[in-house]
Formats: sequence, structure tokens, C-alpha cells
Amino acid sequence: NAGVTQTPKFRVLKTGQSMTLLCAQDMNHEYMYWYRQDPGMGLRLIHYSVGEGTTAKGEVPDGYNVSRLKKQNFLLGLESAAPSQTSVYFCASSYEVLQGSNQPQHFGDGTRLSIL
Amino acid sequence: ELKVEQNPLFLSMQEGKNYTIYCNYSTTSDRLYWYRQDPGKSLESLFVLLSNGAVKQEGRLMASLDTKARLSTLHITAAVHDLSATYFCAVLKETSGSRLTFGEGTQLTVNP
Repeated sequence: NAGVTQTPKFRVLKTGQSMTLLCAQDMNHEYMYWYRQDPGMGLRLIHYSVGEGTTAKGEVPDGYNVSRLKKQNFLLGLESAAPSQTSVYFCASSYEVLQGSNQPQHFGDGTRLSIL
Repeated sequence: ELKVEQNPLFLSMQEGKNYTIYCNYSTTSDRLYWYRQDPGKSLESLFVLLSNGAVKQEGRLMASLDTKARLSTLHITAAVHDLSATYFCAVLKETSGSRLTFGEGTQLTVNP
């Protein structure tokens, strides 16, 4: 089982360049999430989606855009990369959160992004 | 705004010893999660706690939830080196779009 797959795994960008991070899940999950992880700050939610064609802002959405055109894919875009966006980016997915459900979010392996 | 605080943030302990990691959160929640992360790796789900008084155990780890005190604990019994990792608690509120709010993480090092 592939689970949650993120591409690429590593990337170095110059300030002002753009790129797209791809997240794909094969578990038929409704919900998908993008987080960034910085030292000493835990994980912070960037954007999320509760179904195909939907997106919503998380805690730190500025400078990022997302799209969920297919249920299994969730794309994170950086239109004009800045050094402050140097981070490790994690994608996660889960079933619809229902009362009494104990399903966790499943995480990908992360994308390590450096902006010079 | 939901805030989640863990303590301690760094924990160095000897093999065979017991210790507890604490997770406090600021508002009512619908469920609480514990995750483990090894250096340079992804997050692995350990426990999902749904209700007040919930207790779950897996090997040397036991997690509990007190919703009235807004507190969860992760207890480590007779620590071994393989438990060295960073442990995160995360709180979910269904009314927030099922978003998780994470604590800062506790970096655990178990020394021989």
C-alpha cells in the first residue's frame, strides 16, 4: 500500500521562483491537508480540503495556493517563493471525521524545500 | 483560538526509567491524537483518544485523556533506546473543519 505519496522529496528554489508540490493518496480519503514543519514550532496547517473541488485556509495560508481537482490529489503551489517558506512540508489525509470515529490523519514522508 | 502546549519540550532519560509527557489544550476538543516522529521521517499515529477518561496502551506507552482538565498524558514505562523520537499531541475540533492543532513536540532521548 502506497498510502500518502509526496513529490518531490527535496527541492531547492531561488527567491521568486514558483513550484507545485503534489500529494497523492490511494485510501479514498475525503479530507486532505497541507502542513509545514519548522524547528520548535510543531506542525502548522496551511490549507485543507474536505472533498473534491473544495479548499479552505488553515493557520498560515499566505503565500500558498492549493487545488483539489481530483479526490486523490491535493496540490500545493508557491507562486513566488520567499526564504521564509524554507521548511518541511507534510501532506496528510483522513476519512471524513464522524462522531465516534477514531481514524487518525495519515501523513506522507514530507518535502524538504529550501529557498535561497 | 485553540492552543496546545506540551511539556517538557526536551526530555533525556535513562533506560529503564518511567516518565510522563503532558499535553494541555485551551478549549474543548472532540478528540486528541498522539503521534511519533523519528528524525527526518514522517509522523506515525500512536493513539486516538475520544472521550473523557479514555486510556490506551501500546507496549511501553500509555496515553490518557481528561477532558475536564483539558489534559492528556503520555506515560513511558521502563524506557528503551528505541523509544527515542519526537512525540506530538494534536487536538481536533470538528467545528473547525476537522483541523488538527499540534503541540510543539517533545524530543525524547533515551540513554543506555
